[in-house]
Amino acid sequence: SSELTQDPAVSVALGQTVRITCQGDSLRSYYASWYQQKPGQAPVLVIYGKNNRPSGIPDRFSGSSSGNTASLTITGAQAEDEADYYCNSRDSSGNPQFGGGTKLTVL
Amino acid sequence: EVQLVESGGGLVQPGRSLRLSCTASGFTFGDYAMSWFRQAPGKGLEWVGFIRSKAYGGTTEYAASVKGRFTISRDDSKSIAYLQMNSLKTEDTAVYYCTRDHTRTGSRPYNWFDPWGQGTLVTVSS
Repeated sequence: SSELTQDPAVSVALGQTVRITCQGDSLRSYYASWYQQKPGQAPVLVIYGKNNRPSGIPDRFSGSSSGNTASLTITGAQAEDEADYYCNSRDSSGNPQFGGGTKLTVL
Repeated sequence: EVQLVESGGGLVQPGRSLRLSCTASGFTFGDYAMSWFRQAPGKGLEWVGFIRSKAYGGTTEYAASVKGRFTISRDDSKSIAYLQMNSLKTEDTAVYYCTRDHTRTGSRPYNWFDPWGQGTLVTVSS
């Protein structure tokens, strides 16, 4: 598939570990990047490349990739991690494309 | 501090035009490609288009949904990227974001977008 597929919603208990996945054929060739978006705010980059975190992003965020699936893992989820998460890669033309987003609820 | 600030959004009638600006600070603007994305109310993120740096020809690419109607340009002397939107449709209603592009080539390339501006709302309605 030329699309990127994400689960619409995922929940995690406070302090537990959660994995958010992104599937698509392009992920066999390109690493994904991941963005966190809270209501009314602009997206914020949290992971890019093999597993790189921008300055200021807590180390509880990590990324991985296997086959056609990229994953964002939050180890010890906090209340402030509740947000929408979007994966990004490229389409068959080499242009950016996003997954549909995953709404993370921290219980 | 690296910062992007969008401006120029507002209410516009279908078929009319609007120009958005993205003013950059805190980095050498001319060294980077710049992208525009949008997000319709309650929806996900959609790539609109990007402009390469002058070192790579300053050329542009667009999503199919806006090709032929939208034009991206840049003024490196002012550190501003523009999104000229013509023949606007109601489905163009969205918050529009500009971002700085980063690309890594190699056996497994990747790109990322950081930072993002705060966004500017464009509402197309009669």
